[in-house]
Amino acid sequence: GQQVMQIPQYQHVQEGEDFTTYCNSSTTLSNIQWYKQRPGGHPVFLIQLVKSGEVKKQKRLTFQFGEAKKNSSLHITATQTTDVGTYFCAGQNSGGSNYKLTFGKGTLLTVNP
Amino acid sequence: DGGITQSPKYLFRKEGQNVTLSCEQNLNHDAMYWYRQDPGQGLRLIYYSQIVNDFQKGDIAEGYSVSREKKESFPLTVTSAQKNPTAFYLCASSIVAYNEKLFFGSGTQLSVL
Repeated sequence: GQQVMQIPQYQHVQEGEDFTTYCNSSTTLSNIQWYKQRPGGHPVFLIQLVKSGEVKKQKRLTFQFGEAKKNSSLHITATQTTDVGTYFCAGQNSGGSNYKLTFGKGTLLTVNP
Repeated sequence: DGGITQSPKYLFRKEGQNVTLSCEQNLNHDAMYWYRQDPGQGLRLIYYSQIVNDFQKGDIAEGYSVSREKKESFPLTVTSAQKNPTAFYLCASSIVAYNEKLFFGSGTQLSVL
């Protein structure tokens, strides 16, 4: 079945440093979504990427979807303490009737003020 | 306010007991989902429903059952056949099943006595 691998599992940074998490799928995706889960909270949708090579920005966050639609990344510039949480990618299969989103295991980001 | 309501927030199960987790949404979404989250793990899909009176097994459906008699409601029963039920359970919904972002409830933490 489809697998979505996410690295690193943990990342600790000093406030102001940059952060990147990477997501790789074993199959071609129709779209990839990113979610953020604060400690003790529930996942909250950040963005969806659909097109090959797509790049989207949300303030200090930059999201990329690979040309082959099998990998993606989230980059945070100049991290702040409010960025703390676990970032999950979730990929949806291309074609067929499989509507399942497959989540990566997430990257836990901690920020030292 | 529109959203997804999960109850209870905490639930304890005795050995051999079935327990039911509630999930209600007033977003008028067609699709609903149940995910299981274990510490340090991603979200694993238990069941999903694309429309009323229809549902499909996810990746880890054994020991669980669901119903979708109303559009607003998608309760999950954890049966005694689920030998390792301790986890954080998240309910989610989306407008339709494909290519849409998920809205999550605040979750239910299930523990075994």
